[in-house]
Amino acid sequence: EAQVTQNPRYLITVTGKKLTVTCSQNMNHEYMSWYRQDPGLGLRQIYYSMNVEVTDKGDVPEGYKVSRKEKRNFPLILESPSPNQTSLYFCASRTYRGRFHGYTFGSGTRLTVV
Amino acid sequence: GESVGLHLPTLSVQEGDNSIINCAYSNSASDYFIWYKQESGKGPQFIIDIRSNMDKRQGQRVTVLLNKTVKHLSLQIAATQPGDSAVYFCAETGIQGAQKLVFGQGTRLTINP
Repeated sequence: EAQVTQNPRYLITVTGKKLTVTCSQNMNHEYMSWYRQDPGLGLRQIYYSMNVEVTDKGDVPEGYKVSRKEKRNFPLILESPSPNQTSLYFCASRTYRGRFHGYTFGSGTRLTVV
Repeated sequence: GESVGLHLPTLSVQEGDNSIINCAYSNSASDYFIWYKQESGKGPQFIIDIRSNMDKRQGQRVTVLLNKTVKHLSLQIAATQPGDSAVYFCAETGIQGAQKLVFGQGTRLTINP
């Protein structure tokens, strides 16, 4: 089944403890992106990657890092999480080939930083 | 700056009725628009899209209308079913092309039995 897989689905952590949220897609998509979803603010882009080793900042990149060493994986790294990073996170991917069909989203990671 | 918004945050309709969800966008240069459905506990799912050179596109039970004159987008769902209950987002690719999507706030659609 074509999908974007995020792990973990739920995570509670303490301020300052480094964490990584993994994202993997099995569709050979070139483009991957991370979004966070907050009440009243909707979905906002954190980082995106247009291909392997090519990443760029989105609208809210502060406090996050990403890497794209392989085409299928796009982990989101929080080096020193803070409570304002408590949010629902989504990874998404799409291809450049053929007609644009929008993005395929993962099921989300709910992160709580205490 | 770029922004995509929705007129109403919530909408309730009777099962079997048609529903219309509206969206206003501010970037007149946007050339691609998408509607997503997000059910509780899940990620957004693609419903239907439309390019700026079109004013209407139909799918299965859904129709998207685009009015570029007033920068307005709408999603019509025919014969609503309980499974249509969800939050619906409009999104545009914005002036940067498809590097990111700019999402609206979302409308929660509730289907009453």
